[in-house]
Amino acid sequence: DQQVKQNSPSLSVQEGRISILNCDYTNSMFDYFLWYKKYPAEGPTFLISISSIKDKNEDGRFTVFLNKSAKHLSLHIVPSQPGDSAVYFCAAKKKSSGDKLTFGTGTRLAVRP
Amino acid sequence: EAGVTQFPSHSVIEKGQTVTLRCDPISGHDNLYWYRRVMGKEIKFLLHFVKESKQDESGMPNNRFLAERTGGTYSTLKVQPAELEDSGVYFCASSQVTSVYNEQFFGPGTRLTVL
Repeated sequence: DQQVKQNSPSLSVQEGRISILNCDYTNSMFDYFLWYKKYPAEGPTFLISISSIKDKNEDGRFTVFLNKSAKHLSLHIVPSQPGDSAVYFCAAKKKSSGDKLTFGTGTRLAVRP
Repeated sequence: EAGVTQFPSHSVIEKGQTVTLRCDPISGHDNLYWYRRVMGKEIKFLLHFVKESKQDESGMPNNRFLAERTGGTYSTLKVQPAELEDSGVYFCASSQVTSVYNEQFFGPGTRLTVL
């Protein structure tokens, strides 16, 4: 039973435009949500996170939005750059489950020059 | 500062053989995690060490998998005997503190192929 879902396996965006990556979750007990970015042959790298008590967190070109009632979060990248081309994983944690991350299947973002 | 390192980067073995994967966490990180990604699917948690103790091994698939972290430094993950469904990329991660807000730093992974 997959508790974190990324229903779009891929996304293609023009350089300079906004990229919006979506993530849905089923477990209302998640306390913390994270986005990881992964380049080929490398491990995932932490990008940005948000606590369940907030609805928005911004860091430079990256903003994460959380809609708890819809159990949905999204990552906005604006403006998108070719170097943003990677696989993006949504992940979640529960305080009651210790430290483990529950990941989605990832969305491959391609930013066209 | 060196990041999380994993060895080997690739391993190709036949069904029934044994493979041992190694992870060296970032120096000073007490927490060490193993995850696995089967092709095209999500990255799944396997287990979590705090120093040399297993904090959570709820994600270990079965008793063919054995993880150790003697002395609380590097960790090994042994698969014996390997089956076809064990193929995937095995990631190791480490973090300094145990907290829902901590950042886990990932290694590059070991790609295991079982033929």
